[in-house]
Amino acid sequence: QVQLVQSGSELKKPGASVKVSCKASGYTFTSYAMNWVRQAPGQGLEWMGWINTNTGNPTYAQGFTGRFVFSLDTSVSTAYLQISSLKAEDTAVYYCAAVAVAGPFDYWGQGTLVTVSS
Amino acid sequence: SYELTQPSSVSVSPGQTARITCSGDVLAKKYARWFQQKPGQAPVLVIYKDSERPSGIPERFSGSSSGTTVTLTISGAQVEDEADYYCYSAADNNLVFGGGTKLTVL
Repeated sequence: QVQLVQSGSELKKPGASVKVSCKASGYTFTSYAMNWVRQAPGQGLEWMGWINTNTGNPTYAQGFTGRFVFSLDTSVSTAYLQISSLKAEDTAVYYCAAVAVAGPFDYWGQGTLVTVSS
Repeated sequence: SYELTQPSSVSVSPGQTARITCSGDVLAKKYARWFQQKPGQAPVLVIYKDSERPSGIPERFSGSSSGTTVTLTISGAQVEDEADYYCYSAADNNLVFGGGTKLTVL
């Protein structure tokens, strides 16, 4: 069955970096784009952007440029989200999601909590 | 930018019909999707293309659309349907999410 398994919770200090992984299984990794979505505590979902799993070309939503980097390692069917110069307001649960908007393919990771605190 | 608006909460008794709406201009031209999110679990798609149900989703889940509003209907809601429900859509290569609705079944 299709699964997206994300890396575990992270506690980081302001100014540090974090890299979240999302390992896909049960389907051909390069068949579907990978999206990243943020959910801050008590808030709704924010789409951060997506990465083309064929070309590796990322697209970032407004507000997620500069410190946020999407990358892939197709040899292990894994997508990554790296956030640099962490701020307290980056504290959130981060989800990866493989979605085909025209159809029923829609799978999400379990989420990774990133806490930024001194 | 596009916005999708949902009620923050809906409450029903077991066996009753729950209806959750989602409104936004983008829905007049783009399909909506709905997913269910339970605490600590990955979201699960329950409706796509406004009214299509993925395999494995119970028949009590249905979707409809009218103009700029889509509705998720849970007919005969069960206690296990208690969860957060989000609508979302794809527009201009972006994903747009509603604010989520907490469904209480008790």
